[in-house]
Amino acid sequence: GAVVSQHPSWVICKSGTSVKIECRSLDFQATTMFWYRQFPKQSLMLMATSNEGSKATYEQGVEKDKFLINHASLTLSTLTVTSAHPEDSSFYICSASIPRQGPYEQYFGPGTRLTVT
Amino acid sequence: AQSVTQPDIHITVSEGASLELRCNYSYGATPYLFWYVQSPGQGLQLLLKYFSGDTLVQGIKGFEAEFKRSQSSFNLRKPSVHWSDAAEYFCAVGAREYGNKLVFGAGTILRVKS
Repeated sequence: GAVVSQHPSWVICKSGTSVKIECRSLDFQATTMFWYRQFPKQSLMLMATSNEGSKATYEQGVEKDKFLINHASLTLSTLTVTSAHPEDSSFYICSASIPRQGPYEQYFGPGTRLTVT
Repeated sequence: AQSVTQPDIHITVSEGASLELRCNYSYGATPYLFWYVQSPGQGLQLLLKYFSGDTLVQGIKGFEAEFKRSQSSFNLRKPSVHWSDAAEYFCAVGAREYGNKLVFGAGTILRVKS
């Protein structure tokens, strides 16, 4: 149980275009989902926390207009990288928490590799 | 500042040898502690977690970790490493003082030599 999927698993886009990444909780309802970014050989950095039906909370230094997060249902959150540039190339990982377990026990998706050319 | 420290960036052990990966965190209250493993290009898999109770916790794949409050540590151990354990390991801490989020260490890359 507690499976999280991401789609796509990898994507290549041209500079200036937008890319949408989906994060789904497959067998549970997730009121809270998290989006992380991981650069090569580095740790995960939290970008934002999204709660179903409300605006996402972004970490300091993350451009909310560039990384649009929508959490429209209890099983789906999306991250849209707008006007992507090569420096946005990274590995993006989402996670979800089960309400009764609290925010710290998170179930992670397999990640999405974004390459901007 | 809130931080989670994994002092070893790389560790190489021989197959069959024991393993200990270190993790220290800086701050006072009882945290929620996690160890995750990540294979290249993959997401994170939870190895084990500590919330309360017995300070020695058992996880999957033969891993265990011990919470030592006096040392603010949560070191991961395995008595006999297998080649398939080669991966990157992340320690993570959750606590109200950090907000409702996990803070990750920098990770330790484990190499296993045959």
